[in-house]
Amino acid sequence: AQRVTQPEKLLSVFKGAPVELKCNYSYSGSPELFWYVQYSRQRLQLLLRHISRESIKGFTADLNKGETSFHLKKPFAQEEDSAMYYCALSGIGGAQKLVFGQGTRLTINP
Amino acid sequence: KAGVTQTPRYLIKTRGQQVTLSCSPISGHRSVSWYQQTPGQGLQFLFEYFSETQRNKGNFPGRFSGRQFSNSRSEMNVSTLELGDSALYLCASSSTGVYTEAFFGQGTRLTVV
Repeated sequence: AQRVTQPEKLLSVFKGAPVELKCNYSYSGSPELFWYVQYSRQRLQLLLRHISRESIKGFTADLNKGETSFHLKKPFAQEEDSAMYYCALSGIGGAQKLVFGQGTRLTINP
Repeated sequence: KAGVTQTPRYLIKTRGQQVTLSCSPISGHRSVSWYQQTPGQGLQFLFEYFSETQRNKGNFPGRFSGRQFSNSRSEMNVSTLELGDSALYLCASSSTGVYTEAFFGQGTRLTVV
């Protein structure tokens, strides 16, 4: 069965501190992993995907197939990072059918 | 480029009624997916349409159905509404090809009373 687990519903850190949002998955194949973000009053939008290996807004995420994890990290949190973050997976090339985690609400304190 | 547009933004319906939600994808996108978002279950995949055909389906009862038109616009229908159908319904469109991105609409908030 396909499943995405985000163990933290809420995460609060101070501005300038490192941030790590955890994501574990189960999938019987080669998944594609994504992080989506929803800022206040905005629509859900793609933050990054493992295949692109990019750093977006200072965030990075590494796919660890051995630990079936795709944790999102940022070395120095900014107040504008406060948002809801969702980890999601799909089959290769299949952004049309996403399995989402429950989401983590990240709050950056000044 | 206009984003994904969902109408209406808010709906209040009574138990037992039916409802139709609409989604206009980004121009050129032929795939439209629907998701249900609730506080308890989170974001759950309903179904996906591509070129007017349902290509993927999630684990929802048959009361939930959809269709796609030749211009790629999609509608989702829920019949015999139940209180538990109250949710935010999100639509996403994507282009064809490998490693595509899903672009989401702002959603339709359905309240069943």
